[in-house]
Amino acid sequence: DTGVSQDPRHKITKRGQNVTFRCDPISEHNRLYWYRQTLGQGPEFLTYFQNEAQLEKSRLLSDRFSAERPKGSFSTLEIQRTEQGDSAMYLCASTPPKKGGYTFGSGTRLTVV
Amino acid sequence: QKEVEQDPGPLSVPEGAIVSLNCTYSNSAFQYFMWYRQYSRKGPELLMYTYSSGNKEDGRFTAQVDKSSKYISLFIRDSQPSDSATYLCAMSGSGGGADGLTFGKGTHLIIQP
Repeated sequence: DTGVSQDPRHKITKRGQNVTFRCDPISEHNRLYWYRQTLGQGPEFLTYFQNEAQLEKSRLLSDRFSAERPKGSFSTLEIQRTEQGDSAMYLCASTPPKKGGYTFGSGTRLTVV
Repeated sequence: QKEVEQDPGPLSVPEGAIVSLNCTYSNSAFQYFMWYRQYSRKGPELLMYTYSSGNKEDGRFTAQVDKSSKYISLFIRDSQPSDSATYLCAMSGSGGGADGLTFGKGTHLIIQP
């Protein structure tokens, strides 16, 4: 068990470009979450997968944001046409089938210039 | 009023002191309560996980939940410089994961050697 893995750790992109982040959850965890954290704030819930089904996506910040978990294992978060306001830490978390505390990855820090 | 209120600090205490951190919340549907520790530029690390009201102890950490007052606390005994970090409270309802976690802003704690 290597914990929740996120890649890349840091991404610098120009405004208007598309970016994609990857999350590999703990292998036996069937629930996966994406959060965004800006400076001085707590993480903000974006979306939730149970296995491959995306059961909550209304919290995604705009239609430029989308997420997938095609085989119920790893997940990707894509931001299209990035804006400077998208600069933040993007965190992935996973939980086991029974209710329990969330295990977070180290995050991907996005900087839009 | 935000759903979860947490004093951002900074809170500075001498090494060995007992630290008291707390959060208030407004949503009576919250049933699961967590405390996370976050070091700079890292993901949150789960410290304590409790369900409903009551106390839970784990080593130097004690979590208390008072649902009647909508108030949760984390106590750290024998504080160490390595405890210096941001502490985030988080909570969720019984939505089976789809409601995600709602976080406070985090309290920045400094333990002076």
